Amino acid sequence: EVQLLESGGGLVQPGGSLRLSCAASGFTFSTFAMSWVRQAPGKGLEWVSGISGSDDRTFYADSVKGRFTISRDNSKNTLYLQMSSLRVEDTAVYYCVKASTSLSSWFDYWGQGTLVTVSS
Amino acid sequence: DIQMTQSPSSLSASVGDRVTITCRASQSIGRFLNWYQQKPGKAPKLLIYGASSLQSGVPSRFSGSGSETDFTLTISSLQPEDSATYYCQQSYSTPAFGGGTKVEIK
Repeated sequence: EVQLLESGGGLVQPGGSLRLSCAASGFTFSTFAMSWVRQAPGKGLEWVSGISGSDDRTFYADSVKGRFTISRDNSKNTLYLQMSSLRVEDTAVYYCVKASTSLSSWFDYWGQGTLVTVSS
Repeated sequence: DIQMTQSPSSLSASVGDRVTITCRASQSIGRFLNWYQQKPGKAPKLLIYGASSLQSGVPSRFSGSGSETDFTLTISSLQPEDSATYYCQQSYSTPAFGGGTKVEIK
């Protein structure tokens, strides 16, 4: 059974940093691209960042480029999102998402999400 | 970047009704279009991928169609458990979601 378990969310002040983690199980983690998708309170879904499975190519939404860094540790079956220079508008539930194959594919499994609140 | 526009933003229908949600891409995306269902407080769930392929375990009353720029999600006979928000997503390039359609039961 595929499981994605996010952690690391919480309250942080504007300008601060936070690292999210996603522990994956139930599939060969290194084979699949992974992404982070966020949802601000009462709003729709926004893709944030993605990383390929084999060669660690990374991609970012313009809204987070230069501030967020996605990475993965295939030996630990874990996906990360390092967030810095956080803004109030980064407040959202962040979902760890598995791609069905490559980055140009659908998202077949989602974690339960972790809430990040940016506020003074 | 490719923009995705869904319509309507919300709808209310009765149990047993046929419901249609549309999604339009700002440029051609072939059939790289996926649909998700999200219930309050829950993570989204994949319904349809590749414009018309039904994800395993999804009831057959859900179907998808379309290509290039215009796509449709249809619920053939609306059930109470279908009350949710539905999102389209293109996977042709940098992923992007539509704004969502909230479906309510009358």
